[in-house]
Amino acid sequence: KQEVTQIPAALSVPEGENLVLNCSFTDSAIYNLQWFRQDPGKGLTSLLLIQSSQREQTSGRLNASLDKSSGRSTLYIAASQPGDSATYLCAVRNRDDKIIFGKGTRLHILP
Amino acid sequence: EAGVTQSPTHLIKTRGQQATLRCSPISGHTSVYWYQQALGLGLQFLLWYDEGEERNRGNFPPRFSGRQFPNYSSELNVNALELEDSALYLCASSLTGDPHEQYFGPGTRLTVT
Repeated sequence: KQEVTQIPAALSVPEGENLVLNCSFTDSAIYNLQWFRQDPGKGLTSLLLIQSSQREQTSGRLNASLDKSSGRSTLYIAASQPGDSATYLCAVRNRDDKIIFGKGTRLHILP
Repeated sequence: EAGVTQSPTHLIKTRGQQATLRCSPISGHTSVYWYQQALGLGLQFLLWYDEGEERNRGNFPPRFSGRQFPNYSSELNVNALELEDSALYLCASSLTGDPHEQYFGPGTRLTVT
């Protein structure tokens, strides 16, 4: 059974720092992995999607990597800003088309 | 381009009643997904509809059901509501086929009293 874990559950960093969020999964037979952000009480905003054949994707200050063999993905945020404060979620789509979310990392950027 | 829309924004029901939640996907998207986000439990996958058919479902009892209409909009029905069904229900849509990137709506907050 696929399990997705995000550590840490919460993170506070000063504005301007680069940071890395982690996502690990137990079954490497995945179809893709998607990163989202969620603002309090709101829906999810898609950030990056990495297909199983890819190793990384980039969008602006964000870079996501995928290492299927070790069951890990990282989301790198460069030059963090207060507007980056949100909960970041990763979701794995298994080969059986079930989608499993991690519980998220709550990020707070200190001005 | 309009995003995924959901209605109603809030819904208050009594235990034992039925709730109906609606979702309209992004134009051109034929897949719709439903999720439950209950406090402390994270996002749980409920249902996936594609081209009018149910393709997959998560570990939820049969009183959670739904359908997808010819225009690809979707309904989620929850029968015999229980207190623990109180949650934010999120809908997402995607194109059929690779890469199945999902785009989410703002959600419906269901409160069962």
